[in-house]
Amino acid sequence: NAGVTQTPKFQVLKTGQSMTLQCAQDMNHEYMSWYRQDPGMGLRLIHYSVGAGITDQGEVPNGYNVSRSTTEDFPLRLLSAAPSQTSVYFCASSYSKPGLTSYNEQFFGPGTRLTVL
Amino acid sequence: LAKTTQPISMDSYEGQEVNITCSHNNIATNDYITWYQQFPSQGPRFIIQGYKTKVTNEVASLFIPADRKSSTLSLPRVSLSDTAVYYCLVGYNTNAGKSTFGDGTTLTVKP
Repeated sequence: NAGVTQTPKFQVLKTGQSMTLQCAQDMNHEYMSWYRQDPGMGLRLIHYSVGAGITDQGEVPNGYNVSRSTTEDFPLRLLSAAPSQTSVYFCASSYSKPGLTSYNEQFFGPGTRLTVL
Repeated sequence: LAKTTQPISMDSYEGQEVNITCSHNNIATNDYITWYQQFPSQGPRFIIQGYKTKVTNEVASLFIPADRKSSTLSLPRVSLSDTAVYYCLVGYNTNAGKSTFGDGTTLTVKP
């Protein structure tokens, strides 16, 4: 299994440009999430999905769109890039089991380092 | 989601045991406590998870008192390679996709 893969690894954009960050997982996980991590800070949730066709907003959704047409893929779209969106973006996937033994380990991708000039 | 509070940073020396405590006063009945480790330029990696009492795996131990308002991650005999940021998360499985990471604890292990 490749786990969680993200492309590209690095990207430089100009203000106002749009782009899509790709995320894919081959573990058949129900849950997928996008986080951003600014220098010296923790991760902040942008959007998440609990299954194909279902998405919801996290803490910092403004300026980003997501869709989940398949279980495997969860792309993140930047609509009009701004310097404030310069960050490292992590995609994660997880599964859960019901009951008291539920288990929500998240598996993270290697990240995409985005710079917006 | 329950808010967590951790020390910003800790220093240790190789071979010592390190204990990192996380406060989560508003933990809910169904919430689990999960710890992640993050090295520079990498995504976080799951270390351990627990609900109550003590959990141990090959990497760490997690101590959770009866009131569950705090938890302590214990790393035995740390090495230089344990230098990383450690995050404490609290949530239930339905929140698997919406965990709040906070700023974590930066552990620096010195020779």
